[in-house]
Amino acid sequence: EDKVVQSPLSLVVHEGDTVTLNCSYEVTNFRSLLWYKQEKKAPTFLFMLTSSGIEKKSGRLSSILDKKELFSILNITATQTGDSAVYLCAIPASGGGADGLTFGKGTHLIIQP
Amino acid sequence: KAGVTQTPRYLIKTRGQQVTLSCSPISGHRSVSWYQQTPGQGLQFLFEYFSETQRNKGNFPGRFSGRQFSNSRSEMNVSTLELGDSALYLCASSPGQTNTGELFFGEGSRLTVL
Repeated sequence: EDKVVQSPLSLVVHEGDTVTLNCSYEVTNFRSLLWYKQEKKAPTFLFMLTSSGIEKKSGRLSSILDKKELFSILNITATQTGDSAVYLCAIPASGGGADGLTFGKGTHLIIQP
Repeated sequence: KAGVTQTPRYLIKTRGQQVTLSCSPISGHRSVSWYQQTPGQGLQFLFEYFSETQRNKGNFPGRFSGRQFSNSRSEMNVSTLELGDSALYLCASSPGQTNTGELFFGEGSRLTVL
């Protein structure tokens, strides 16, 4: 059974700090790993990673995948209060292209001013 | 371009009733997926539709069903509601045939079952 485990489940830091969010996974047939940000209701797409060791970057956010050790990290530098959200990690289910995404429980990040 | 629209946004039902939720995908998107989000289980895949065909279904009982219309709008139905069905139901659309890449989520329908 596919599995996604995120840590920590919650994290409180001060504005300007750097944070690292973790995602480990177990999947029979790996295709990709995705990160989403959920601020209120609708999750929004951040990154999709398919290749090991290649960093994806968007502004202060970056992510990298380690397919050998089966994990990914999401880094946020110089955090701002607007980064407060639940960060979700997901993998496509192993059964095929139409099986949907298996999500982790998420990391609830709170940035204090 | 309008985003994914879900209606109703909030609703309250009692046990045993049924409910229908609606989702209008982004214009041009033909794949629509549904997810259930609860504090205990997180986001769980319900089913996915492409060109009016259900391509796959998650591990949910038969009380959960859905359909897609020729304009790609989708509905999901839950019959004989149970307390445990209280959740945020999220719809997501994607432009291609795959529903496992970048998904565009709606704001969700918050269902409370009393």
